[in-house]
Amino acid sequence: AQSVTQPDIHITVSEGASLELRCNYSYGATPYLFWYVQSPGQGLQLLLKYFSGDTLVQGIKGFEAEFKRSQSSFNLRKPSVHWSDAAEYFCAVVASGGSYIPTFGRGTSLIVHP
Amino acid sequence: DGGITQSPKYLFRKEGQNVTLSCEQNLNHDAMYWYRQDPGQGLRLIYYSQIVNDFQKGDIAEGYSVSREKKESFPLTVTSAQKNPTAFYLCASSKNPSLNEQFFGPGTRLTVL
Repeated sequence: AQSVTQPDIHITVSEGASLELRCNYSYGATPYLFWYVQSPGQGLQLLLKYFSGDTLVQGIKGFEAEFKRSQSSFNLRKPSVHWSDAAEYFCAVVASGGSYIPTFGRGTSLIVHP
Repeated sequence: DGGITQSPKYLFRKEGQNVTLSCEQNLNHDAMYWYRQDPGQGLRLIYYSQIVNDFQKGDIAEGYSVSREKKESFPLTVTSAQKNPTAFYLCASSKNPSLNEQFFGPGTRLTVL
C-alpha cells in the first residue's frame, strides 16, 4: 500500500520569502500526485497535480511542484509567499493501477509572518 | 456554478443519537467520498461510492453508514456506535475515479455534547 510523509508539521516564513513544502511517498510504481490547500474551517482545494510527462508542474496561486522519481518526492514551492497563503497544505498520492483511492499526508501548517 | 454542498456547517448531537450529514454535488461526478479530519491526523477515508447504489468501506467505517440512491447525493449517518464522533467531516467527489482528482465540499463540524 502507498504511504505519504509530510515531514514538517509547521513551517514559518516571512512574507515575500520563498517556500518549499516537502512530500515523500512510498509506492512501487509512478503514482498520481496532488497538492491541496485548506483554509481554516474550509474544505480542500486542489493546487496542482501530476499524472505523467513534465516533472515540473504549475498550479494555481503561483505554486509549482517537482516530481523527483529518484527521491520519491513531490515538493511544493512558491518563490514569494503572500500572507494569504497561510493555510494547511496536504500532499496526496493515488496508486495507479490499484484501488485509485488517495492517501493523504498529515498536512503541513504554513504560518506567514508580516 | 457547479460544486459540492454540505449541510449543516455545524452540528451538535447528544450522546446516543444518530445524526445524518448531507452531501450534494451538481458536478455530474460518478464517485463520491466521505473523510474524517482530526487535528494532526490528515484525512481518513470513511466510505466511498463509485457508482449509484454501490459503496465500499474505507479505513474507518465502523460506526458510520451511507447510502447512494442518487448520483448527486451521498449522505453519511454517524451512529451511536461511533465512539468518538466529534470531528470535521469532509465530502468529496471525483469525475474520473481512476485519476481521482477530488473536489471537496466546505465540511461539517460535528460536536457531541
